[in-house]
Amino acid sequence: GQSLEQPSEVTAVEGAIVQINCTYQTSGFYGLSWYQQHDGGAPTFLSYNALDGLEETGRFSSFLSRSDSYGYLLLQELQMKDSASYFCAVTGNNAGNMLTFGGGTRLMVKP
Amino acid sequence: ETGVTQSPTHLIKTRGQQVTLRCSSQSGHNTVSWYQQALGQGPQFIFQYYREEENGRGNFPPRFSGLQFPNYSSELNVNALELDDSALYLCASSLNSGRGELFFGEGSRLTVL
Repeated sequence: GQSLEQPSEVTAVEGAIVQINCTYQTSGFYGLSWYQQHDGGAPTFLSYNALDGLEETGRFSSFLSRSDSYGYLLLQELQMKDSASYFCAVTGNNAGNMLTFGGGTRLMVKP
Repeated sequence: ETGVTQSPTHLIKTRGQQVTLRCSSQSGHNTVSWYQQALGQGPQFIFQYYREEENGRGNFPPRFSGLQFPNYSSELNVNALELDDSALYLCASSLNSGRGELFFGEGSRLTVL
């Protein structure tokens, strides 16, 4: 089986930096994805890490350590519109896009 | 917007009834997946279709079934509805590339009374 753990809630102020951690236990591992979901909206893809290290996409970066079964999403220069739920998701023991999602981290950005 | 459309957006059923949810994939995508998202939780994988064949299934009973059509659109059918089936049902299309990138529709909100 597979399980992912991430904090349930994080609060930060506008302009700050926030890191959302994700640890996983899987029987197989191909990669770790991150998704953003605003209330009432669809999850939208942010990033994917298959190899160790940092991937940067604008204000968002994602990190993976396969040996530690750990990853994080880093959000810089926080904006009010970043208030949303963030999910990590593992592609497990096959190469298809069958994802196991974590329970999500609700990020609240305050002025 | 992802180009993935789902219908209906909201529906209400009673216990024991059957429901069919529909999804049109993004152009060029040959893989469609369905996820169930209960309130306040992450999406749970139901099953995936690739070229009209089911090629993966999560921990859901057989009363959850699906189809994928030649134009890559898809249906999710749920029989003998239970109260716990109340959730947001998300369709996601993708290429079968294993890069963890899914394109989700806005979902169908099912309420079972």
